[in-house]
Amino acid sequence: EPEVTQTPSHQVTQMGQEVILRCVPISNHLYFYWYRQILGQKVEFLVSFYNNEISEKSEIFDDQFSVERPDGSNFTLKIRSTKLEDSAMYFCASSPPGGVGNQPQHFGDGTRLSIL
Amino acid sequence: QKEVEQDPGPLSVPEGAIVSLNCTYSNSAFQYFMWYRQYSRKGPELLMYTYSSGNKEDGRFTAQVDKSSKYISLFIRDSQPSDSATYLCAMTPGFQKLVFGTGTRLLVSP
Repeated sequence: EPEVTQTPSHQVTQMGQEVILRCVPISNHLYFYWYRQILGQKVEFLVSFYNNEISEKSEIFDDQFSVERPDGSNFTLKIRSTKLEDSAMYFCASSPPGGVGNQPQHFGDGTRLSIL
Repeated sequence: QKEVEQDPGPLSVPEGAIVSLNCTYSNSAFQYFMWYRQYSRKGPELLMYTYSSGNKEDGRFTAQVDKSSKYISLFIRDSQPSDSATYLCAMTPGFQKLVFGTGTRLLVSP
């Protein structure tokens, strides 16, 4: 069964450094998302991306965050100047075409980001 | 009031029991309801996906949505130790953002 893959599984970074989290969505999917889960808390929406542009973003997704689909298969989340509070699991998700909201989102296994 | 509320558990049951997991929500615009299962150090895995009110069954799993009460449920029949995981409810008005509950940790003992 096709799946969303994320790399790396664990990223350790010094505070203030830039980090790029990578995702390969399911191949025929057109909608892409990033969520995060701080330890012990619920999964929170960050951003959705469709047709090469952001379609929705949360209050968490401020100017230090950016997303990109650099080619036909990868989807990345960049955090420009990491803070201690950015430490979390970051999940990528994708959903197939079929109308907004009609199709369920499929998640990868996440990247655990640890900021020191 | 939180947008989506879910008892964090843990909920401990013996193998073979029927499990009932629930979420309540406050936003009447939610139209699509999902249940995800999350094992430790893994991503959410889609279990059930329903639109509006009603029931949906898939093997040992049944999802129920009662929009009038703003209440959704997931029932697991003949629970197995392999069902031990955290179960997340999620919902959306039909736009792309999913709103999750905190998750209920389920422990099924042999």
